[in-house]
Amino acid sequence: NAGVTQTPKFRVLKTGQSMTLLCAQDMNHEYMYWYRQDPGMGLRLIHYSVGEGTTAKGEVPDGYNVSRLKKQNFLLGLESAAPSQTSVYFCASSYLGQGYGYTFGSGTRLTVV
Amino acid sequence: TQLLEQSPQFLSIQEGENLTVYCNSSSVFSSLQWYRQEPGEGPVLLVTVVTGGEVKKLKRLTFQFGDARKDSSLHITAAQPGDTGLYLCAGLRGNTGKLIFGQGTTLQVKP
Repeated sequence: NAGVTQTPKFRVLKTGQSMTLLCAQDMNHEYMYWYRQDPGMGLRLIHYSVGEGTTAKGEVPDGYNVSRLKKQNFLLGLESAAPSQTSVYFCASSYLGQGYGYTFGSGTRLTVV
Repeated sequence: TQLLEQSPQFLSIQEGENLTVYCNSSSVFSSLQWYRQEPGEGPVLLVTVVTGGEVKKLKRLTFQFGDARKDSSLHITAAQPGDTGLYLCAGLRGNTGKLIFGQGTTLQVKP
């Protein structure tokens, strides 16, 4: 099925460890986004990309890095995980234009102990 | 500071009742979207409203965009247990492509 695929679905990290979350979309969307979702906080934008080879900071970028080497993939990296990064991470993609909604992946639940 | 304030945050009602969820801001948005999210899944787009005063209907759900494009509402008629979930409003500022989300409204419809 067409859509956004996130891997892994669950992960437990120790403080200080690093990891990369993978996001792939097969809809030829220009824009891709990484959000984190925490109770009572809604979805907060970490980083986003408006096209292959471009990335930009969102609302809460500290402690994260991203790369978009191919149009269909958007990677989110944690170089040195902290307990404050325990969250559910969602990747989304969209076409350019205000009338288009986001297509979200099913999320990655990350726990940092 | 939350740019989009949703109310109520939690709502528990009986099947067949009507309800309204509000999404308010002091900022103007070029468009506003509503999503529904079920546990363990990502949000799914319900509707996009673009024009001030616009009203869209999706079966028993009615969405309205405020005349000044600063607020929106979601009204559900005769709620069903299948309507249970987290409802999120999200506003688009200018043509940045970035959505700003409200905190969400958790709806529970009891049979």
